Amino acid sequence: DAKTTQPNSMESNEEEPVHLPCNHSTISGTDYIHWYRQLPSQGPEYVIHGLTSNVNNRMASLAIAEDRKSSTLILHRATLRDAAVYYCIPPGGTSYGKLTFGQGTILTVHP
Amino acid sequence: EAGVAQSPRYKIIEKRQSVAFWCNPISGHATLYWYQQILGQGPKLLIQFQNNGVVDDSQLPKDRFSAERLKGVDSTLKIQPAKLEDSAVYLCASSSTENTGELFFGEGSRLTVL
Repeated sequence: DAKTTQPNSMESNEEEPVHLPCNHSTISGTDYIHWYRQLPSQGPEYVIHGLTSNVNNRMASLAIAEDRKSSTLILHRATLRDAAVYYCIPPGGTSYGKLTFGQGTILTVHP
Repeated sequence: EAGVAQSPRYKIIEKRQSVAFWCNPISGHATLYWYQQILGQGPKLLIQFQNNGVVDDSQLPKDRFSAERLKGVDSTLKIQPAKLEDSAVYLCASSSTENTGELFFGEGSRLTVL
């Protein structure tokens, strides 16, 4: 199975941008890159996904490297509510629609 | 639009007892998933249904876990008999047939086995 590498934890201050990296060196050409996050005591929630080009939505931006072996989730202005575990879903981990979660990155946001 | 509903939110049982969790997915979602999340770990897929058929149950411990989705809507996950290592949050998720990798999760059912 494809693997991803994410830092165990990151910290940010409120209203500052946050860049959450993910390495997925075994990605294939048709694999989408998905990001989910999990707030305390809640189920995971979808954040964003992309294939080749950078993607933006109301929650975040996704920057995908040209060789697609890494991606970065960007929160433009972190809020306290963004404190969560952020999961980069391994390429191929969405086969048949299922998600294969790794350990994720614990994001702490300081006021 | 109502989200994925799960119950109970919390359950405490002793080892060797049985427990059942219920999930009602988002209306119209054909695919339903049960995940197990042990404290400090990411969720692990237990079983995936497409309508009322099983797509993937390769990681379901079939000697003690069972799941059904008889009418292709609601689903139940049962554990019998429970072991200490089954203490976890059991998450239900659903997705539409036009699946783009966006799953919708419920809040989960937290099981403590004593």
